[in-house]
Amino acid sequence: AQSVTQLDSHVSVSEGTPVLLRCNYSSSYSPSLFWYVQHPNKGLQLLLKYTSAATLVKGINGFEAEFKKSETSFHLTKPSAHMSDAAEYFCVVSDWMDTGRRALTFGSGTRLQVQP
Amino acid sequence: EPEVTQTPSHQVTQMGQEVILRCVPISNHLYFYWYRQILGQKVEFLVSFYNNEISEKSEIFDDQFSVERPDGSNFTLKIRSTKLEDSAMYFCASSGQSLTTTDTQYFGPGTRLTVL
Repeated sequence: AQSVTQLDSHVSVSEGTPVLLRCNYSSSYSPSLFWYVQHPNKGLQLLLKYTSAATLVKGINGFEAEFKKSETSFHLTKPSAHMSDAAEYFCVVSDWMDTGRRALTFGSGTRLQVQP
Repeated sequence: EPEVTQTPSHQVTQMGQEVILRCVPISNHLYFYWYRQILGQKVEFLVSFYNNEISEKSEIFDDQFSVERPDGSNFTLKIRSTKLEDSAMYFCASSGQSLTTTDTQYFGPGTRLTVL
């Protein structure tokens, strides 16, 4: 069975400093991995996705994530935080289920605060 | 940019009442999904829908739940007799293809359902 663990429920950084949001996963097969962001009263917006191509994935708004199979990790990073980055971030794995279909499994989310 | 929309943004109902949550998926998408997030818990898959029938459902999606695509644009989730534990944020999503390796689901902003 697949699972996703987001290691921090809250992360607080200062504007202009790096962001690191951690995600570990477990999967029986070759997963696809996603990061979604949710701003208040908005839908879940796709930041980036990994689909077995390049292990370093670049997304929107300067975010990137690196797939490390040996560590079963898919951490999200950004070199310099902006106030507008304050939101909830979800790590998501898409994997084959026993039914022969794929399904999405969500992490519990990390709330990012950006201090001025 | 096309987006998934959901109405209402917040629904309050009495226990035992029926509610219908509405979604308008992205217009050329073929696959539709409902997820829910109970406060403080993970986002959970409920059901997927394709070609006017359910293609996959989770254990949560019992006989109290039903989905329908009544016309060419709307996708609805009905809860026949709401329970207190149905209180949650309900997200609709759509994708252009089946949940393949490279496919992405696009999410709406959610409907917050409160059952009193």
